[in-house]
Amino acid sequence: KAGVTQTPRYLIKTRGQQVTLSCSPISGHRSVSWYQQTPGQGLQFLFEYFSETQRNKGNFPGRFSGRQFSNSRSEMNVSTLELGDSALYLCASSLQGTSYNEQFFGPGTRLTVL
Amino acid sequence: AQRVTQPEKLLSVFKGAPVELKCNYSYSGSPELFWYVQYSRQRLQLLLRHISRESIKGFTADLNKGETSFHLKKPFAQEEDSAMYYCALSSSGAGSYQLTFGKGTKLSVIP
Repeated sequence: KAGVTQTPRYLIKTRGQQVTLSCSPISGHRSVSWYQQTPGQGLQFLFEYFSETQRNKGNFPGRFSGRQFSNSRSEMNVSTLELGDSALYLCASSLQGTSYNEQFFGPGTRLTVL
Repeated sequence: AQRVTQPEKLLSVFKGAPVELKCNYSYSGSPELFWYVQYSRQRLQLLLRHISRESIKGFTADLNKGETSFHLKKPFAQEEDSAMYYCALSSSGAGSYQLTFGKGTKLSVIP
């Protein structure tokens, strides 16, 4: 079974631009979560989608948004990029999105904002 | 609000020595705790969860609600255990759950 895939793997943007990151979950998984990883703050939860609905959102500004499609693929968007948005963005998928289901992580997208 | 604290950024032990990676948590509800591991150039992956009460790769972790701790232990460290270890706590909201991670401990096993 193929693992979670994320595209692109690396991205360089400038301040003020917007960016869209993509995540394809493991086949059959309906829950997709997104995390931001930085050296200072570590891994922080962004949001979680299940069956095209956002069920939970972390403490991030409205510039961070996401969506999930009917095939469970998910995208996250960051508008008006700031230098502090430079981070590794991780996507994770699980069957039903409960604590009984293991979360499988993707390799991440490394975003650099100049 | 929930919080996970891993007091050691880096832990170095000799091969064959016991290992203990510390994790303390703060959570008002009934916690569900996990250990994730990231080996060099690999993805973050689940190592073990407290509800399973299992031993994975020789590692065990016991939830101590009195001390709000979930320390990861292994009696004899191996070189292949060198990795980044993250303790995580799950909280449920609106039918989903999110993981709150500690900042991680880098374990280095010296041959």
